[in-house]
Amino acid sequence: DARVTQTPRHKVTEMGQEVTMRCQPILGHNTVFWYRQTMMQGLELLAYFRNRAPLDDSGMPKDRFSAEMPDATLATLKIQPSEPRDSAVYFCASGLQGASTEAFFGQGTRLTVV
Amino acid sequence: DAKTTQPNSMESNEEEPVHLPCNHSTISGTDYIHWYRQLPSQGPEYVIHGLTSNVNNRMASLAIAEDRKSSTLILHRATLRDAAVYYCDRSGNTPLVFGKGTRLSVIA
Repeated sequence: DARVTQTPRHKVTEMGQEVTMRCQPILGHNTVFWYRQTMMQGLELLAYFRNRAPLDDSGMPKDRFSAEMPDATLATLKIQPSEPRDSAVYFCASGLQGASTEAFFGQGTRLTVV
Repeated sequence: DAKTTQPNSMESNEEEPVHLPCNHSTISGTDYIHWYRQLPSQGPEYVIHGLTSNVNNRMASLAIAEDRKSSTLILHRATLRDAAVYYCDRSGNTPLVFGKGTRLSVIA
């Protein structure tokens, strides 16, 4: 049963600390997305990769957020330094290239910055 | 400038059909129409997608207007497990953009 795996599921950290969220896409998928969900803003696209190359990260605050794909089986989203307004659920999704394909979402990482 | 427009909420009785509308009047010829739903405390999950013809799968049916400016997701018999936020999007080879969606409540 192929699925997208995100770790950790929950993270509580103090303001100013570095946070790293990890995502294992479904094997064979060449497109990876990072979304953030808050009550106020809903689901927002932060960044996405195709064949490990970043295609669009315009949704990310550049000064503190960074997204990478060290290899095809791992995507990371880092926040340094973290701030209380970063508290949200972060979702990773993977899929195949193409307009008619579906995206598979992970369970999310719930981040709380205090 | 929203890509799609959906009602904020809808309510259905259990075991009744539900028709969830979506307006995508600025759709282009190559855009697909996608529907996802998000159950409480879970990530979004794919429901169905289509281009021009109506589509059926085990979860739902998708009825697409002839001019493609609107579509309707049909749950044939709503169950309590179908209570979720339903999102529609129209997109080509670009990432999904989620609006506010429609919160569906199912009453036993």
